[in-house]
Amino acid sequence: GIQVEQSPPDLILQEGANSTLRCNFSDSVNNLQWFHQNPWGQLINLFYIPSGTKQNGRLSATTVATERYSLLYISSSQTTDSGVYFCAVVRYSGGGADGLTFGKGTHLIIQP
Amino acid sequence: EPEVTQTPSHQVTQMGQEVILRCVPISNHLYFYWYRQILGQKVEFLVSFYNNEISEKSEIFDDQFSVERPDGSNFTLKIRSTKLEDSAMYFCASSWEGTSNQPQHFGDGTRLSIL
Repeated sequence: GIQVEQSPPDLILQEGANSTLRCNFSDSVNNLQWFHQNPWGQLINLFYIPSGTKQNGRLSATTVATERYSLLYISSSQTTDSGVYFCAVVRYSGGGADGLTFGKGTHLIIQP
Repeated sequence: EPEVTQTPSHQVTQMGQEVILRCVPISNHLYFYWYRQILGQKVEFLVSFYNNEISEKSEIFDDQFSVERPDGSNFTLKIRSTKLEDSAMYFCASSWEGTSNQPQHFGDGTRLSIL
């Protein structure tokens, strides 16, 4: 099946810093989503971005489908940005409803 | 914004007991999914469901697991005889399409603890 690699695995930053999280995937995909898992375990959907660039406030994401990677940018980090960021992809098999394949995540800690 | 709702938020069960996790998908969605996340690990796909039958399932989804849509709104995951290793967060998700051209929307999860 498709492989998803996220980097870095851990990241510690001071409040106000900017960061870039990377997601590499091993095959072409039809769906790519970025999630933030907060300390309570909830998965918050950040972006649905199989290709192109999107922005939402301090967060933006870019997926270069032809080169099989996606980047998540966080600007002016706040302590509430702490948590685990997951990238998840689907390569449509032509059969049924395929599940997302998740990466192992980037654990982000923002220190005040 | 419509949400996927999961109940209960936390379930504690004795090993060997049956457990049913419940989900109410977004009302106009047609495809439903269950995922599992063991503590400290990545989220893993279990099963997808469409038109009242299983569409795809992973190797994790063995005979101990079953899914059902008992009425027009609920979607359930049943574990027949729970084991210690079933302790995990279980997420339900739904999407309007299953062909990967639409995002999957996730609930807040049910934390299952097996004693």
